[in-house]
Amino acid sequence: DIQLTQSPSFLSASVGDRVTITCRASQGISNYLAWYQQKPGKAPRLLIYGASTLQNGVPSRFSGSGSGTEFTLTISSLQPEDFATYYCQQINSYPFGQGTKLDIK
Amino acid sequence: QVHLQESGPGLVKPSETLSLICTVSGGPVTSPVHYWSWTRQPPGGGLEWIGYVHSSGSTYYNPSLESRATVSMDTSKTQFSLKLRSATSADTATYYCARETVTMVGTRYFYYGMAVWGQGTTVTVSS
Repeated sequence: DIQLTQSPSFLSASVGDRVTITCRASQGISNYLAWYQQKPGKAPRLLIYGASTLQNGVPSRFSGSGSGTEFTLTISSLQPEDFATYYCQQINSYPFGQGTKLDIK
Repeated sequence: QVHLQESGPGLVKPSETLSLICTVSGGPVTSPVHYWSWTRQPPGGGLEWIGYVHSSGSTYYNPSLESRATVSMDTSKTQFSLKLRSATSADTATYYCARETVTMVGTRYFYYGMAVWGQGTTVTVSS
């Protein structure tokens, strides 16, 4: 089974910072990767699919890149509403990464 | 706009079957490009995908849950359901239903992620 490992698991940052979260797959998954944002008590929200395609309505400060086994989610300038937990997911056999909690420094 | 709503018992006894329904409104469940999934999240934990059903009847499950899980669809009621047999305390979680879009061009699949989610329903397994 394919495993997804996110790093870091926890990240503290300030409003305006640029942050990057990495997701590594245990074997190549082409571009079959999605990123989700989840806030406490809420359902996940799809941010990116196909590793780099921004879902409709998602702010352009979010971007994704990568292919094969290494992927990144970048937030170019953190806004207060971005503090949340982020998950990657392989989107044809469906494991999620363990999550990255992004909180305010 | 499509809306998903989970429903079912909030308390299940150990060894019994956990049964949930997701009601879909605002759109058909029979579109060939949509797959209907269940994902869960234990208290304080991460997301775990459970399985999906397609209107064709095809299903696919997380290998770790495949022996206990059944996801099925009732197109007449625009609902799909999850049954998880032999529940234990480890199945205590918030359960989410979601819709994924997948298209096929030639022999290649294009996956668009799970863009529509229900609000989630909390299930506790306890005697």
